[in-house]
Amino acid sequence: QKEVEQNSGPLSVPEGAIASLNCTYSDRGSQSFFWYRQYSGKSPELIMFIYSNGDKEDGRFTAQLNKASQYVSLLIRDSQPSDSATYLCAVKGLGDSNYQLIWGAGTKLIIKP
Amino acid sequence: EAQVTQNPRYLITVTGKKLTVTCSQNMNHEYMSWYRQDPGLGLRQIYYSMNVEVTDKGDVPEGYKVSRKEKRNFPLILESPSPNQTSLYFCASSPSGAAGGYNEQFFGPGTRLTVL
Repeated sequence: QKEVEQNSGPLSVPEGAIASLNCTYSDRGSQSFFWYRQYSGKSPELIMFIYSNGDKEDGRFTAQLNKASQYVSLLIRDSQPSDSATYLCAVKGLGDSNYQLIWGAGTKLIIKP
Repeated sequence: EAQVTQNPRYLITVTGKKLTVTCSQNMNHEYMSWYRQDPGLGLRQIYYSMNVEVTDKGDVPEGYKVSRKEKRNFPLILESPSPNQTSLYFCASSPSGAAGGYNEQFFGPGTRLTVL
């Protein structure tokens, strides 16, 4: 059974600080990793994806992947109250179709003004 | 506006009363999927469709049916709903893409279903 684990939180971070969200996965063959953001009562929306070991930056967001440790993280710099949401980690495994993902349960992030 | 729509957004029903949740996308996407989201469990895939007349089970298909007669529509049918199907349901769609790649999934607004 493939699993994706996230700390449910809530993770409370002061405004302007760095928020660090973590995700571990069980399938060593996993190839692609995604971070979705879900505001309360809304649907998920894609923030970033990462395929290769290392860091990938997009504006205030940085995704970090360590396949040897089966670990992917999302850093949010200069956190804003509008970043308060639940962050979902999703993983596509080796052999899975292009469309099938294994989802974590999400980490609730609260940015305190 | 490019979007995925779902109806109804909220539904309260009773055990055993057949219901259909509609899903429609206007982006000409080939792939469509249904998920349910429960607290602490994340998104779990119910059924998905790679194209018209092609559907397959996801991780939690029991108690659900789907059909894909047209590219844009992918209704979710609960023939005899039970209280354990109380959940938040999302429809999603995605364009086709090259093998080995990934296409972003676009989600509908969600349908909150309560089965009494």
